[in-house]
Amino acid sequence: NAGVTQTPKFQVLKTGQSMTLQCAQDMNHEYMSWYRQDPGMGLRLIHYSVGAGITDQGEVPNGYNVSRSTTEDFPLRLLSAAPSQTSVYFCASSYSATQYFGPGTRLLVL
Amino acid sequence: DAKTTQPTSMDCAEGRAANLPCNHSTISGNEYVYWYRQIHSQGPQYIIHGLKNNETNEMASLIITEDRKSSTLILPHATLRDTAVYYCIVKRTNAGKSTFGDGTTLTVKP
Repeated sequence: NAGVTQTPKFQVLKTGQSMTLQCAQDMNHEYMSWYRQDPGMGLRLIHYSVGAGITDQGEVPNGYNVSRSTTEDFPLRLLSAAPSQTSVYFCASSYSATQYFGPGTRLLVL
Repeated sequence: DAKTTQPTSMDCAEGRAANLPCNHSTISGNEYVYWYRQIHSQGPQYIIHGLKNNETNEMASLIITEDRKSSTLILPHATLRDTAVYYCIVKRTNAGKSTFGDGTTLTVKP
């Protein structure tokens, strides 16, 4: 199993650009979630999904969209990037409460 | 999810036991205590979890007080590779998402 994979590893955007962060898991987990981590801080929940076709907002959802068309994939879309979205983004999946995290995407918005 | 309180930082000598405390005085009866760690800004890694009995696995031991208002993660023989941020999280067993605090930065010194 590859576990949880995230692409890209690094990305630089200009303010106003849009992009999609990809997340995939091959463990057939129902739960998937997106977090952001700013320097020196803990992870904050952006959006999560309890299964295909079902998503909900987390603590910091503004400026981000998600969809869950398949069990395997949970992409995170930045609609119009802002410097405040510079962060490290982690995707996680789980079948119960034990979560498995991807390696992260480091995003810099100029 | 119940709120948790952890010390900001701790040091430990290599080869000695590292004891990381966590307070969760508002924990509910159906909430578990989970521990994760994050090394060098990698994705968080699951360590151990428990409800009310003490738990042990190949990585660590978890001691939960009888009133369940606090717990201690024990790394029996800390190595330099155990230097990381350790997060204590309280949540229900079917919760596929987590609320992260700022965790405890453990530094293992030679």
